[in-house]
Amino acid sequence: DTGVSQDPRHKITKRGQNVTFRCDPISEHNRLYWYRQTLGQGPEFLTYFQNEAQLEKSRLLSDRFSAERPKGSFSTLEIQRTEQGDSAMYLCASTPLGDIQYFGAGTRLSVL
Amino acid sequence: GESVGLHLPTLSVQEGDNSIINCAYSNSASDYFIWYKQESGKGPQFIIDIRSNMDKRQGQRVTVLLNKTVKHLSLQIAATQPGDSAVYFCAENRGSGNTGKLIFGQGTTLQVKP
Repeated sequence: DTGVSQDPRHKITKRGQNVTFRCDPISEHNRLYWYRQTLGQGPEFLTYFQNEAQLEKSRLLSDRFSAERPKGSFSTLEIQRTEQGDSAMYLCASTPLGDIQYFGAGTRLSVL
Repeated sequence: GESVGLHLPTLSVQEGDNSIINCAYSNSASDYFIWYKQESGKGPQFIIDIRSNMDKRQGQRVTVLLNKTVKHLSLQIAATQPGDSAVYFCAENRGSGNTGKLIFGQGTTLQVKP
């Protein structure tokens, strides 16, 4: 499978716990994006990387959220001290040039 | 503020009919638009895109129309099939010269009746 891969597909956690999600973009795609999608809404931009550099973060990304792309390939998104409001689908997308973005299947987070 | 919105939350069509899904945007500086299809439990899937220097673009069974005067775009699906049932999003992208981040509307659910 040469598409964008996200792991895990589902994550159930208790409030206050930390969680980490992984995204493997399409090979040689320089740009990688994270979005969050809640039920009935369109995805909302969280952050983006050009290679290993994190170039923009949304105001939605509180200080409990951190994202990395250490070698310019896969990326991780960590949420510390999860809250019930963090429950959502977390989507990753990649693109070679910044135009068409190809999305993964997402990680669905449920915070109990 | 900037927003990308769709006119109707749900569209129900008969199998074989044509579907038209509409989208309005507010930022006149927008220069690139994308339509995505999202099935339940999956990520958005690219359908078709259009740049602001065009007013029409055709793909396989799909056509996107862009009217910059009234800041409106539409997605037309010909001979709608049950497999077209999904949520459709239009998204605004200011292109590779900027961050390229996508701004999505809320989506239109397309229901295809057999």
